[in-house]
Amino acid sequence: NAGVTQTPKFQVLKTGQSMTLQCAQDMNHNSMYWYRQDPGMGLRLIYYSASEGTTDKGEVPNGYNVSRLNKREFSLRLESAAPSQTSVYFCAISPSGNTIYFGEGSWLTVV
Amino acid sequence: DQQVKQNSPSLSVQEGRISILNCDYTNSMFDYFLWYKKYPAEGPTFLISISSIKDKNEDGRFTVFLNKSAKHLSLHIVPSQPGDSAVYFCAASEGFNKFYFGSGTKLNVKP
Repeated sequence: NAGVTQTPKFQVLKTGQSMTLQCAQDMNHNSMYWYRQDPGMGLRLIYYSASEGTTDKGEVPNGYNVSRLNKREFSLRLESAAPSQTSVYFCAISPSGNTIYFGEGSWLTVV
Repeated sequence: DQQVKQNSPSLSVQEGRISILNCDYTNSMFDYFLWYKKYPAEGPTFLISISSIKDKNEDGRFTVFLNKSAKHLSLHIVPSQPGDSAVYFCAASEGFNKFYFGSGTKLNVKP
């Protein structure tokens, strides 16, 4: 899992509920990412963090917020979940800047 | 609009033969390209990469070719093995910042 731990692994939410996906790395790499994977759409970047305290929007940021309070952790929050947010979410890190390594994924279903 | 495209959702190849997976991109500022392999219920794993200053990179059975003028890259797997059956994603980045992925090609290597 490239030293990337995601929690929870599985979650079912009702429409309108909120939740936070947690991502933690066991090293001190600067760059961290959140992607979602949907059938036929591949992996799409939600948010990116170049370093502690900084975040940047990716391709599909609407409906999400992120927090990078320290170097190890990068969380993704859904304030009011919608069925369109049913997806597999992957956190990733970039140790050297030229390659990213993914966690094992978090399966989220919004009903 | 997706900046990285994989137009073949699936590919079926006989064991021992060559597998060729294709990828096109639209952003001429992309300068680094990667291929990832993904098994079901796992995170994508890094396979091979290439810088825009090169046109070929080899790693064992895997070779990536880059044609900058056509904005096209391909991954060759020779010889293909049943264990290579997976979804393959190509990705591109500009300046080692954000990484953009294609929609994936599902490779099936038949014994």
